[in-house]
Amino acid sequence: QSALTQPPSASGSPGQSVTISCTGTSSDVGRYNYVSWYQQHPGKAPKLMIYEVSKRPSGVPDRFSGSKSGNTASLTVSGLQAEDEADYYCSSYAGSTVGVFGGGTKLTVL
Amino acid sequence: EVQLVESGGGLVQPGGSLRLSCAASEFTFSSYSMNWVRQAPGKGLEWVSYISSTSSTIYYADSVKGRFTISRDNAKNSLYLQMNSLRDEDTAVYYCARGLLMTGIDYWGQGTLVTVSS
Repeated sequence: QSALTQPPSASGSPGQSVTISCTGTSSDVGRYNYVSWYQQHPGKAPKLMIYEVSKRPSGVPDRFSGSKSGNTASLTVSGLQAEDEADYYCSSYAGSTVGVFGGGTKLTVL
Repeated sequence: EVQLVESGGGLVQPGGSLRLSCAASEFTFSSYSMNWVRQAPGKGLEWVSYISSTSSTIYYADSVKGRFTISRDNAKNSLYLQMNSLRDEDTAVYYCARGLLMTGIDYWGQGTLVTVSS
């Protein structure tokens, strides 16, 4: 159950777009369209932002979008806002196991 | 609004045991799969265990297999995690979480802190 690989940090200025990558293998991200993204503010519980690669739960702004190419999934935040500053985690179904999380990316809004 | 409230965390010595509980409300608990996910201080998320809605399917992370036991009582709208043979590395905030990691965990509790230390 190896963790997915995310960059430790990402940043952008208000109004800009930023993309966070999540790299797995052909056994998880590359095989299944079951990638999710979670946002976590300090001291708070995670919040589901994207599921099944690109679907948004009700209430999540359309500034958040997800995609996948090969073994790498991506989360793009467009029109960055101050409240988007948080940690972001990806997860993927991995077949026989329930799933794995990425190591997390700290997004800073400059 | 869906609510998940964890309890039972605390300080325990290495080798000790602890039982976490999660009280669910404002949704049909018996219809949903549930998970425990933990987060060590300053670290990322780690999925710990999964239980299907009827308890027929249960999975554990390799790091806790043989030491932790997940269970649920649908009549009491409650989820449990029995943790035995605790180690220093089990120190974390433990979250009760609804849904399938595969299709997205849509609701999370606020977590309960477990500290394993002598």
